[in-house]
Amino acid sequence: EVQLVESGGGVVRPGGSLRLSCAASGFRFEDFGISWVRQAPGKGLQWVSGINWNGGSTGYVDSVKGRFTISRDNAKNSLYLQMNSLRAEDTALYYCARVSPSAIAVAEFVGAFDIWGQGTMVTVSS
Amino acid sequence: DFVMTQSPDSLAVSLGERATINCKSSQSVFYSPNNKNYLAWYQQKAGQPPKLLIYWASTRESGVPDRFSGSGSGTDFTLTISRLQAEDVAVYYCQQYYSSPPVTFGPGTKVDIK
Repeated sequence: EVQLVESGGGVVRPGGSLRLSCAASGFRFEDFGISWVRQAPGKGLQWVSGINWNGGSTGYVDSVKGRFTISRDNAKNSLYLQMNSLRAEDTALYYCARVSPSAIAVAEFVGAFDIWGQGTMVTVSS
Repeated sequence: DFVMTQSPDSLAVSLGERATINCKSSQSVFYSPNNKNYLAWYQQKAGQPPKLLIYWASTRESGVPDRFSGSGSGTDFTLTISRLQAEDVAVYYCQQYYSSPPVTFGPGTKVDIK
């Protein structure tokens, strides 16, 4: 079964750090760009960051630049998001999502997203 | 950044009737060299992650029922559910992937049964 499973969420104080992980199975992880997309409680979807198949190209939404770092380990079929200097507005359910091989953008780390995990919740609160 | 808007915010449709959702981009998402619109549609049911329905504005993802269709070009797009079923109750999002980073999503349209 093709799936993505996120982990690493939790409750953290403002200014703190968390590292999210996304474990892939059922497909050749190394062939696909992957992104992180978040959803604040009761709100819509916001793309956060993406990485291409070999980690050579990454992108971030402006609000997380300099604070979040995306990386991947193809040998471990895993994606990561290191989140530092967390703020209350980072509180959200964080999904990892695979770029569809049929709908890739010029930036290989984004496109239409065909496989999504169930998400891991990050709560930033004092 | 490309700003995506959707209308209406919500709608209620009788079972078996048509539901139409509109999506507008602040700039064109049409790329003339490959004649493609970089626009996708997702369905998100309560407590679930989003599900890809449509990409390239009108190409249905494998396994998606043919009552779902996408149309439009440039800046204006439409998702149509031709005969609403009870299982179609969800929030629907459009997304542009023409300009990145970042890709951007619309605010969502909630579809309910009348």
